[in-house]
Amino acid sequence: DVKVTQSSRYLVKRTGEKVFLECVQDMDHENMFWYRQDPGLGLRLIYFSYDVKMKEKGDIPEGYSVSREKKERFSLILESASTNQTSMYLCASSLGQGAYEQYFGPGTRLTVT
Amino acid sequence: GENVEQHPSTLSVQEGDSAVIKCTYSDSASNYFPWYKQELGKRPQLIIDIRSNVGEKKDQRIAVTLNKTAKHFSLHITETQPEDSAVYFCAASPYDNYGQNFVFGPGTRLSVLP
Repeated sequence: DVKVTQSSRYLVKRTGEKVFLECVQDMDHENMFWYRQDPGLGLRLIYFSYDVKMKEKGDIPEGYSVSREKKERFSLILESASTNQTSMYLCASSLGQGAYEQYFGPGTRLTVT
Repeated sequence: GENVEQHPSTLSVQEGDSAVIKCTYSDSASNYFPWYKQELGKRPQLIIDIRSNVGEKKDQRIAVTLNKTAKHFSLHITETQPEDSAVYFCAASPYDNYGQNFVFGPGTRLSVLP
């Protein structure tokens, strides 16, 4: 089974703090994604990566950055957390090479106070 | 860019009845349409998908239909059971250099009443 894990289930940070969310997948997937999930808005793509050290902006990249130094690990960084970044953050991965299914991690509920 | 709308936002059905959720998309180049189910407190999981060269796909009680001309696709659940209660998300995958990104609809909360 594909396993996608995220570093924290719940996180509380203060406004202005730098926040790191980490995601690890153990199935040698090529592609990794970061989404945020808000009620009534579905899942919105923040950043994605199709290869190590490669990153592309999604639909809502403002206020976020990412890092992919190793194939299995994809990190989401909030340089200076703000209250409007309070949300559920979901990481996903997919095999690539024509296999489109994305496998999701359990999510990190981030609260910025 | 691609935009996906989904209706209804909430749906309640009696156990044993059918449920239908509809989605529309804007980018005619989209070629892959998955449906994800998210139970309360859990991660989204793929339940069925369809590619643009197919009009219908069925897996036991679940089916998806695609109308490329009208740019809409639907999820059909027959003989609903309480364990079908969840939030369902449709998505469209617009073609780009990688062909892998999803644009999700806002979700439908399905409640199956016993």
